[in-house]
Amino acid sequence: DAKTTQPNSMESNEEEPVHLPCNHSTISGTDYIHWYRQLPSQGPEYVIHGLTSNVNNRMASLAIAEDRKSSTLILHRATLRDAAVYYCIPPGAGKSTFGDGTTLTVKP
Amino acid sequence: NAGVTQTPKFQVLKTGQSMTLQCAQDMNHEYMSWYRQDPGMGLRLIHYSVGAGITDQGEVPNGYNVSRSTTEDFPLRLLSAAPSQTSVYFCASSFAGETQYFGPGTRLLVL
Repeated sequence: DAKTTQPNSMESNEEEPVHLPCNHSTISGTDYIHWYRQLPSQGPEYVIHGLTSNVNNRMASLAIAEDRKSSTLILHRATLRDAAVYYCIPPGAGKSTFGDGTTLTVKP
Repeated sequence: NAGVTQTPKFQVLKTGQSMTLQCAQDMNHEYMSWYRQDPGMGLRLIHYSVGAGITDQGEVPNGYNVSRSTTEDFPLRLLSAAPSQTSVYFCASSFAGETQYFGPGTRLLVL
């Protein structure tokens, strides 16, 4: 199974961009990378996913390296509501492995 | 659509008691999964199912049973509760194993 590596924690100031990295060097060529986030006392929620090219949606952007061994979740203007644990995982056919993710702290 | 629903929201058990955590989804997803999350930790997969009648074990299956008689429901049974099973339990569903949709969780305290 593909595994991912993320920093344990990151800090950002409100209104500034945040780049959350993820290494997934063992991902297969057809696996999408999914990002989820978990707000305090809630279940994880889907943020974005991508295969090879950069992706944008209303929540975030996803930049995927050309060799697909890493990706970066970009929050363009962090808000206090973005403070959460962010997980990047390859799809696992319903049996995904969630690591400990990156805890994002947003300072006012 | 209600999405993924879980009941109860909170439960207190005594050691040795049994109970069933309920999970239901109304999105016609074939894939469903149960995770547990201990304080300050990530999610660990307990059991999963790729369709009605088909289940398999995840990382931490001991002490838990599942069955999948319908597409909509995926209950998790604790056979004999232990304090080590104190955790928050999340159910998730997905279409073809892709993007997962999570329920709000069940907080379980075993005394």
